[in-house]
Amino acid sequence: SQQGEEDPQALSIQEGENATMNCSYKTSINNLQWYRQNSGRGLVHLILIRSNEREKHSGRLRVTLDTSKKSSSLLITASRAADTASYFCATEYGSNYKLTFGKGTLLTVNP
Amino acid sequence: NAGVTQTPKFRVLKTGQSMTLLCAQDMNHEYMYWYRQDPGMGLRLIHYSVGEGTTAKGEVPDGYNVSRLKKQNFLLGLESAAPSQTSVYFCASSPTGFIQPQHFGDGTRLSIL
Repeated sequence: SQQGEEDPQALSIQEGENATMNCSYKTSINNLQWYRQNSGRGLVHLILIRSNEREKHSGRLRVTLDTSKKSSSLLITASRAADTASYFCATEYGSNYKLTFGKGTLLTVNP
Repeated sequence: NAGVTQTPKFRVLKTGQSMTLLCAQDMNHEYMYWYRQDPGMGLRLIHYSVGEGTTAKGEVPDGYNVSRLKKQNFLLGLESAAPSQTSVYFCASSPTGFIQPQHFGDGTRLSIL
């Protein structure tokens, strides 16, 4: 099925470092979204990037979208211990108003 | 403003029992969704609704039923629970479906023995 695949599956860094997570998908999309999930909690929306956009910023987050490579990346700059969470990309395609989620990247930021 | 509220938060069932999970949203959203999250599988869509009185099947609908009698509520039912339905269930809502972020509840952890 159409699905975003995150890479890497797990990432461990030190506080203050940058974290980069990647997402690849299979077919043309309307938009791609990134979500964060803290342990034991629901998903929280971070950024939505439309198919005609190439880059978006929100605070310390930067998302890029390359539709020719069918890939996106999420960059978290100057990471903090509170950024420790799982990060998911989700793609919306066609006219079915549904999101398809990847399996996530588990980010651990060590103090 | 509570957002999306799921009840109960935890539940243990025996095989063959039935139960209903309740999702309530106070944001006047049209679209609502039920997902399940299993280790290593990400989120998979069970059923969704594009408005009051409507429901549609998602990726993994078998063994589940849903109802959207009121705009703010979306119910997920398990008629005869099976161990394979042990999972964490998430409800989400969005204003409309097209190019909109989804707002999630904190989940219901369901174990079926």
